[in-house]
Amino acid sequence: AQSVTQPDIHITVSEGASLELRCNYSYGATPYLFWYVQSPGQGLQLLLKYFSGDTLVQGIKGFEAEFKRSQSSFNLRKPSVHWSDAAEYFCAVGTPTQAGTALIFGKGTTLSVSS
Amino acid sequence: NAGVTQTPKFQVLKTGQSMTLQCAQDMNHNSMYWYRQDPGMGLRLIYYSASEGTTDKGEVPNGYNVSRLNKREFSLRLESAAPSQTSVYFCASSLKNTEAFFGQGTRLTVV
Repeated sequence: AQSVTQPDIHITVSEGASLELRCNYSYGATPYLFWYVQSPGQGLQLLLKYFSGDTLVQGIKGFEAEFKRSQSSFNLRKPSVHWSDAAEYFCAVGTPTQAGTALIFGKGTTLSVSS
Repeated sequence: NAGVTQTPKFQVLKTGQSMTLQCAQDMNHNSMYWYRQDPGMGLRLIYYSASEGTTDKGEVPNGYNVSRLNKREFSLRLESAAPSQTSVYFCASSLKNTEAFFGQGTRLTVV
């Protein structure tokens, strides 16, 4: 069965420092991969996606992620974190269904940014 | 362009009451989804729909029913609410095999 693991429940990073959020997936075929961000009380906003092609993908707000098939990973990175990046981050794998791409989510990583 | 709109935003129910969560999208998407979000659990798929008149069960469908009224609207019904259904519910929509767009959520408390 498909699954997504986000090993870090909570991460604190100093403002201006670099960030890496880890994501590992289990899926038999080439996956569709996503990172979403959720601010408190809000819905989910797509940061970036990987469907095929270049394994380093760029997203909004200065985020990027790298797909590594050999490690079954899709880690999210940002070179310099801003206080406004504090939020919950979800990695998801898309499983093609008749309905489209049903997303299987990880349990999320909460990012805190310290000054 | 509103995207995905959910109503209501907040609801408190007594155990055994019924209610319907409404969702509408204006992006002409074929696929629609209902998820629930619980602390430490991420989002889990309840039901999804490929098109008007078709629905399929997701990971946690028990206790819920859905209706795909037309291409725009996808409702989620709790026939007899239980405290275990206290959660935040998100509706989403997508074109086939592309990213999903989410509504702002409905925070439901069952007492």
